[in-house]
Amino acid sequence: KAGVTQTPRYLIKTRGQQVTLSCSPISGHRSVSWYQQTPGQGLQFLFEYFSETQRNKGNFPGRFSGRQFSNSRSEMNVSTLELGDSALYLCASSLATGGRNEQFFGPGTRLTVL
Amino acid sequence: ELKVEQNPLFLSMQEGKNYTIYCNYSTTSDRLYWYRQDPGKSLESLFVLLSNGAVKQEGRLMASLDTKARLSTLHITAAVHDLSATYFCADSQGGKLIFGQGTELSVKP
Repeated sequence: KAGVTQTPRYLIKTRGQQVTLSCSPISGHRSVSWYQQTPGQGLQFLFEYFSETQRNKGNFPGRFSGRQFSNSRSEMNVSTLELGDSALYLCASSLATGGRNEQFFGPGTRLTVL
Repeated sequence: ELKVEQNPLFLSMQEGKNYTIYCNYSTTSDRLYWYRQDPGKSLESLFVLLSNGAVKQEGRLMASLDTKARLSTLHITAAVHDLSATYFCADSQGGKLIFGQGTELSVKP
């Protein structure tokens, strides 16, 4: 069974630009969550999508947005990039929403903002 | 505020020694996760602890959960170099994982 895939794996952008990251969950998984990992703040929850609806949102500014498609694939968008957005962005999928579903992580997209 | 705290944050061990990583969490969750992360890599699921008193073992790693004390432990037995990595515990709250700061483990010969 294929795992969670994320594209691209590496990205370099400049301040003010916008970026879109993509995540394909494990087949049959309907929930996709996004996390940001930085050395200073650690691993922080961004948002969760289930059945094309945002179910949960973390404490991030509105520049961070996402969506989920009918095939459960998800995209995350960051507009007006700031230097502090440089991070490893991890996507995780689970069978369903709610705390009782184990999340499986993809390889991540490393975003560098110059 | 939901909090998950790990200690120690850094751990340098000699091969063959035993040690324990502690994870305290602030919620009433009955589910706790342990993940491993190698440098530059993603998170690998190690254990899912589902209820009070749960104990799981895989190789040299054993994890336990005490929901009354809101404490989980990850015990390392006879450490080997391959266990060098960062270990995270995470509490699950309504579908989102709240992670601890991570424990960076270095096992030296």
